[in-house]
Amino acid sequence: EVQLAESGGGLVQPGRSLRLSCSGSGFSFGDFALSWVRQAPGKGLQWVGSIRSKDFGGSSQYAASVRDRFTISRDDSKRIAYLQMNSLKSEDTAVYYCARARRPQGLGDFDYWGQGTLVTVSS
Amino acid sequence: EIVLTQSPATLSLSPGERATLSCRASQSVSSYLAWYQQKPGQAPRLLIYDASNRATGIPARFSGSGSGTDFTLAITSLEPEDFAVYYCQQRTSWPLTFGPGTQVDIK
Repeated sequence: EVQLAESGGGLVQPGRSLRLSCSGSGFSFGDFALSWVRQAPGKGLQWVGSIRSKDFGGSSQYAASVRDRFTISRDDSKRIAYLQMNSLKSEDTAVYYCARARRPQGLGDFDYWGQGTLVTVSS
Repeated sequence: EIVLTQSPATLSLSPGERATLSCRASQSVSSYLAWYQQKPGQAPRLLIYDASNRATGIPARFSGSGSGTDFTLAITSLEPEDFAVYYCQQRTSWPLTFGPGTQVDIK
C-alpha cells in the first residue's frame, strides 16, 4: 500500500525556519517526483513546489510566492523528501501536504497524498 | 500562469441527482487536467486525470470530459459520500495551478 506521511509542522515565529519531512512507503520512492501542496485555513489548494526523480535530474520547481525562501530536497536512500522553509511569513500558515506525482518528471497530477501537517506562523 | 476558474462556487443537490461541475482554463491545457475530491479534515483524492481517465478505485458514476479550455466533471447519481469540495488542476505548465473549488452540498 502506498503511503506518505508528513511530519515537522508546528508553531513558528515570523522570520524563522522550519523543515518538513515526507516519508514514503509501499512504492519505489526514487522513481517518482514528489510535490508539496498547501492549504491555508478555509482556503483552496496551492501548489508549493516539486522535485523530480533522479532519473529526470532531481531538480525542483517552485511557486513564485515561495521561490528563494523554500527548498525541496530528497534522500531516496531514506525514502524521505524535505521542505526547508526559511523566512517564514504569516501567509505561509497552512496545512502542508506531500503528494506523489503520477509522472516522474514532476509536471503532473497527484495520485497519493499524505495526511498533511499544520504549520502556523505567528508571534 | 494558467488560471483555472470553477463554476458554480456552490452546488446544492439532493442524493440521487446528477451533478455537473465546470472548470475553465485561461489558456489551453490540452487534456492535461485533473479533478480531486476533498472532504473536511482529509487530504484531496484524485478522481480524474488527463481530463477523462478515472483514477484507481474511483466509481464509474464519476466522469470527466473536455479539452483545451473547457472541462466538466459529472457525477451521475450523487451518493451521500459525494458531498465534498471538488478541485481541478492543470499540469500543462509550471506553475501547477488549482481551481478555487466547487462545494457540492446537500440540498
